[in-house]
Amino acid sequence: QKEVEQDPGPLSVPEGAIVSLNCTYSNSAFQYFMWYRQYSRKGPELLMYTYSSGNKEDGRFTAQVDKSSKYISLFIRDSQPSDSATYLCAMRSSNTGKLIFGQGTTLQVKP
Amino acid sequence: EAGVVQSPRYKIIEKKQPVAFWCNPISGHNTLYWYLQNLGQGPELLIRYENEEAVDDSQLPKDRFSAERLKGVDSTLKIQPAELGDSAVYLCASSRQGAQETQYFGPGTRLLVL
Repeated sequence: QKEVEQDPGPLSVPEGAIVSLNCTYSNSAFQYFMWYRQYSRKGPELLMYTYSSGNKEDGRFTAQVDKSSKYISLFIRDSQPSDSATYLCAMRSSNTGKLIFGQGTTLQVKP
Repeated sequence: EAGVVQSPRYKIIEKKQPVAFWCNPISGHNTLYWYLQNLGQGPELLIRYENEEAVDDSQLPKDRFSAERLKGVDSTLKIQPAELGDSAVYLCASSRQGAQETQYFGPGTRLLVL
């Protein structure tokens, strides 16, 4: 079993929809949680970073962490065609610098 | 601010040939990472440098892979000899020391081994 599980999709939604992307994990030592966006043939780009539990909002993006359930989410409001990309969750524990990535969810927002 | 620079962007080689990838991190970033990304998968760490020191190379297949960061700035990752299964994207990332949560990635080198 992988330490971080992420549904690969693909997920297809109409423009303007609310998108929910999720990851589950097994290592209770994870303290830092990140979401990256990766366009085709590009490197990952950091979207959101959260420490421990709670919510964080940045424009149309909201990241949630539920450590009791070992579950993290990224919500995208008013989705745009330009949001079409692969979204990777990543996490690490406080005693290691190593990020563990999910396999990514491919999102397509249709105009 | 210039981003992480990688070259070449694409490389096609025959199996058993050597290949090298180069990375120049963002200025001022002491920490440099090399990742391997297979198709449909997330990146997996190969090696992490703090300045010139490799502080985590546990996932680097040392029988054929090597890396160096001689002056603590740019870095080279080498494969010798390459195998068919090495076909993947090799990503370089950098961050400020102690800020592993905010890594900046380069565009990657896409390797195809025939």
